[in-house]
Amino acid sequence: NAGVMQNPRHLVRRRGQEARLRCSPMKGHSHVYWYRQLPEEGLKFMVYLQKENIIDESGMPKERFSAEFPKEGPSILRIQQVVRGDSAAYFCASSPPGQKNIQYFGAGTRLSVL
Amino acid sequence: GESVGLHLPTLSVQEGDNSIINCAYSNSASDYFIWYKQESGKGPQFIIDIRSNMDKRQGQRVTVLLNKTVKHLSLQIAATQPGDSAVYFCAVGAGGTSYGKLTFGQGTILTVHP
Repeated sequence: NAGVMQNPRHLVRRRGQEARLRCSPMKGHSHVYWYRQLPEEGLKFMVYLQKENIIDESGMPKERFSAEFPKEGPSILRIQQVVRGDSAAYFCASSPPGQKNIQYFGAGTRLSVL
Repeated sequence: GESVGLHLPTLSVQEGDNSIINCAYSNSASDYFIWYKQESGKGPQFIIDIRSNMDKRQGQRVTVLLNKTVKHLSLQIAATQPGDSAVYFCAVGAGGTSYGKLTFGQGTILTVHP
């Protein structure tokens, strides 16, 4: 049973470009969560999604950031017009049905904005 | 709002010693607590969890203690090994509308010397 898969592992973007981060949850998991981690800090919750629904986006910046989890395919975290402050590690987690607090994490995507 | 903090940012121990990592939380409505281990360049790895209706839970070489009165939890690692060297995070979950949203502490760096 493969774990949570994230790609790419590393992403370099210039200021003003778009960044697309992908996450495939563990098999059988229907809940996906995105977190951001700055250097030497803990993870900060961004958004919680189920298939085709955003459940909680209280941690998402109001502008430039969006997330989706379509019926088919991976969850996507999109950052438009990236700025240097977006440079961070972005982690995706998934949880099994009925156990939302048991979250298993992927290896993360490290975004660098030049 | 919720905040989660750690008493000690770094901990150095000798191989074979027991390690204790502490965490404080602020939200009395928190009902789920998880310890994660994060190695350099990797995602957080689930170690052990505990619900608010318990005060102690044991796993393989690890024990989590929860004191709801003072809003404190700890992770004890027995016979610490060099492979235990990593950053350890506590994460706290709550019910209701926050169900699924984990709040992470800043992390404790554990270094195990052979």
